[in-house]
Amino acid sequence: NAGVTQTPKFRVLKTGQSMTLLCAQDMNHEYMYWYRQDPGMGLRLIHYSVGEGTTAKGEVPDGYNVSRLKKQNFLLGLESAAPSQTSVYFCASSTSNYGYTFGSGTRLTVV
Amino acid sequence: AQSVTQLGSHVSVSEGALVLLRCNYSSSVPPYLFWYVQYPNQGLQLLLKYTSAATLVKGINGFEAEFKKSETSFHLTKPSAHMSDAAEYFCAVSFTGNQFYFGTGTSLTVIP
Repeated sequence: NAGVTQTPKFRVLKTGQSMTLLCAQDMNHEYMYWYRQDPGMGLRLIHYSVGEGTTAKGEVPDGYNVSRLKKQNFLLGLESAAPSQTSVYFCASSTSNYGYTFGSGTRLTVV
Repeated sequence: AQSVTQLGSHVSVSEGALVLLRCNYSSSVPPYLFWYVQYPNQGLQLLLKYTSAATLVKGINGFEAEFKKSETSFHLTKPSAHMSDAAEYFCAVSFTGNQFYFGTGTSLTVIP
């Protein structure tokens, strides 16, 4: 089925460890996004991309890096994980102002 | 700066009763507006969207929302709540197409 696929779905990290979250979409969408969702705070934009090879900072970019080497993939990296990065991470893609398609999320716990 | 405010982080309704979830936006120009639903342990699904066409927008699962420019509102309604409507609902706004701003969400509980 067409859509947005996130891997992994769950992960537990120790403080200071690094990891990469992968987002893949097969809808040929230009725009891709990474959000984090925390209780009572809704979704906050971390980074986004308006096309292959481009990235831009969102509302809460500190502690994260991203890359969009291929149009269909958008990677989110944590170089040195901190407990404050415990969250549910969502990737989304879109072609215009007409709504996102979301992945099913990655639940990350940093201990 | 544009933003969106959802009034009421928790709403409870009886099964069969009217559902009303409130959303107000802050923008100098009417933006694109959206409602999303999130079921437990799932991603967000688009319920409906306003893109400057008809002000009354019908979405999936019997939901609809009305864009009121004078009130800068985009409230979500459903005439009769079902148990399956229990979920988290998010209002979102976009003007540029590059960034969407989400409200903090409203958790809907349906009481049998």
